[in-house]
Amino acid sequence: DSGVTQTPKHLITATGQRVTLRCSPRSGDLSVYWYQQSLDQGLQFLIQYYNGEERAKGNILERFSAQQFPDLHSELNLSSLELGDSALYFCASSVRGKADGYTFGSGTRLTVV
Amino acid sequence: AQSVTQLGSHVSVSEGALVLLRCNYSSSVPPYLFWYVQYPNQGLQLLLKYTSAATLVKGINGFEAEFKKSETSFHLTKPSAHMSDAAEYFCAVSGNAGNMLTFGGGTRLMVKP
Repeated sequence: DSGVTQTPKHLITATGQRVTLRCSPRSGDLSVYWYQQSLDQGLQFLIQYYNGEERAKGNILERFSAQQFPDLHSELNLSSLELGDSALYFCASSVRGKADGYTFGSGTRLTVV
Repeated sequence: AQSVTQLGSHVSVSEGALVLLRCNYSSSVPPYLFWYVQYPNQGLQLLLKYTSAATLVKGINGFEAEFKKSETSFHLTKPSAHMSDAAEYFCAVSGNAGNMLTFGGGTRLMVKP
């Protein structure tokens, strides 16, 4: 157990629908990162939050949004889902400081049918 | 800006043979470098990290990596491959303000009996 908890582990939904993925960071970690992993795109950085504030944005679609709550858990919202959104979505957390690296959760596998 | 290139998306070795996974990085500031391993249907697990101390870094499961500034490389090695080493390996660099990690495309290691 890495200490980063992601729910749900699996999600199957239809095109056009909206889903919410949840992440609880490791205790003491203030930063949360969301990544999308697919066969054709590899690991793509989506967005970072630090202590409740958006800190950096990557290749995140406008249909996707995220937030980090006062208790530091984060949610990634995916709307108007398309078949191509099927992927593994990872959350990672870290303390402040670039020497620390990330601790990853086990991911949410999203399948859009 | 920073980037990571992993040479060889697939590497196959025999059990007991040397494992060498290549990683070259680009960073405008002194980098911190990481290797992660991903087993099927799991999240990424930190193998080792270079944070400007010793250039030869030892990690878990018998892996080590050497930081070579002149070659901008951080190759991952293990003297003797084991079947359980079969997984995907990701090299990552952190060099920007904050602790953003940029990942390479990954190398899938296959171990033949």
